[in-house]
Amino acid sequence: NAGVMQNPRHLVRRRGQEARLRCSPMKGHSHVYWYRQLPEEGLKFMVYLQKENIIDESGMPKERFSAEFPKEGPSILRIQQVVRGDSAAYFCASSRNSLYSNQPQHFGDGTRLSIL
Amino acid sequence: DAKTTQPNSMESNEEEPVHLPCNHSTISGTDYIHWYRQLPSQGPEYVIHGLTSNVNNRMASLAIAEDRKSSTLILHRATLRDAAVYYCILRGGGADGLTFGKGTHLIIQP
Repeated sequence: NAGVMQNPRHLVRRRGQEARLRCSPMKGHSHVYWYRQLPEEGLKFMVYLQKENIIDESGMPKERFSAEFPKEGPSILRIQQVVRGDSAAYFCASSRNSLYSNQPQHFGDGTRLSIL
Repeated sequence: DAKTTQPNSMESNEEEPVHLPCNHSTISGTDYIHWYRQLPSQGPEYVIHGLTSNVNNRMASLAIAEDRKSSTLILHRATLRDAAVYYCILRGGGADGLTFGKGTHLIIQP
């Protein structure tokens, strides 16, 4: 019973490059969440997606960041023209049915992004 | 989501019970109380949640005050593997992302 799978586990990019982070939700889960944890800081919600729809992107930076969850395949968090401040751990979570607030979220082990 | 207040850190001995408190005085009637924990270098892990009644599962117990303004996560017999940051989170009104505070850093002494 595979959990939430994130890849890569570690990603190194130079300033100005693009970073693509992937997340495969648990089987049977159609709702995906992305969070960011900056060094020595807490987890911050970024975006909530359902298949082919962005439901809430209130936590996403206005520029350079985008997310998608296509009908087929994993969810992708894309960061264009990365800067040193983007260095962080990015976590993905999924849930079975997110219409109700009593559904737990299941997290992956994250992607550690380092910007040189 | 309504705000929660937790101690910054707590320390306990291995094989003893641990009671982690959480205050949420502004909780609304439809807010669920969720607990997650994050072990070092891992993603958060769901622990337990409840609405009004006390809850038990294989990981922990959740005791909810009658007025729902506070709750306590109970680890019945702590092990070294329980050393983590524990987050108390309120979720209400739908399926939005979780709002993590600073949590309680639990230290387990052997």
